[in-house]
Amino acid sequence: QPVLTQPPSASASLGASVTLTCTLRSDYGHYLVDWYQQRQGKGPRFVMRVGSSGHMGAKGDDIPDRFSVSGSGLNRSLTIKNIQEEDEGHFYCGADHGTGADFVFGGGTKLTVL
Amino acid sequence: QVQLVQSGAEVKRPGASVKVSCTASGYTFNDYGISWVRQAPGQGLEWVGWISTYNGVTKSVEGLQGRIHMTRDTSTSTVFMELNSLMSDDTAVYFCVRARDRARTTVAMPWLFWGQGTLVTVSS
Repeated sequence: QPVLTQPPSASASLGASVTLTCTLRSDYGHYLVDWYQQRQGKGPRFVMRVGSSGHMGAKGDDIPDRFSVSGSGLNRSLTIKNIQEEDEGHFYCGADHGTGADFVFGGGTKLTVL
Repeated sequence: QVQLVQSGAEVKRPGASVKVSCTASGYTFNDYGISWVRQAPGQGLEWVGWISTYNGVTKSVEGLQGRIHMTRDTSTSTVFMELNSLMSDDTAVYFCVRARDRARTTVAMPWLFWGQGTLVTVSS
């Protein structure tokens, strides 16, 4: 079972909301998760960090307030409200358990704005 | 402002080596390590390694140990990632990245700053 599991795709209509999930494997349940956004043809950019109790630390540069995160059990979710065309792209979650031994990413979710 | 500028695209034969550079500016070079993340065409992200710009200690993903070598030149604020015995599976865009928070001797996330990426193509 992968360390981080993400659904391969998601879609939402312009102006709607969507929640992207990242599920930790049970032995990684205490990990912090970082969300990254990658627009087509661009490099990734950091969105925000989430732990089991929610948002941790500052958001990435120029990340709109429409983006928020939450944590519950093994799930680390990213919610985007009032979706805009510019939000389309891939979203990856990455895990850091703080020991500096291993860093993993989920397979990514492709978000399509309808 | 923080900038990471990488060297240009490379095309290599299988079995050859490639060396990618990443020149940092806008901050104290020795205060932040540099990680390398790669992305194969149409695929996801993979962390491949890290170097402490403070003392040169490196760490790498288990599957690349022995083939990846990272060094730094503090006089030019540049880190280098060399990958040897290239295989077609190494074809990817390689990004150098810097963490948000200061960390001299430990690998740190989240990665707030990204280089523009260097496409390495391995093809016969």
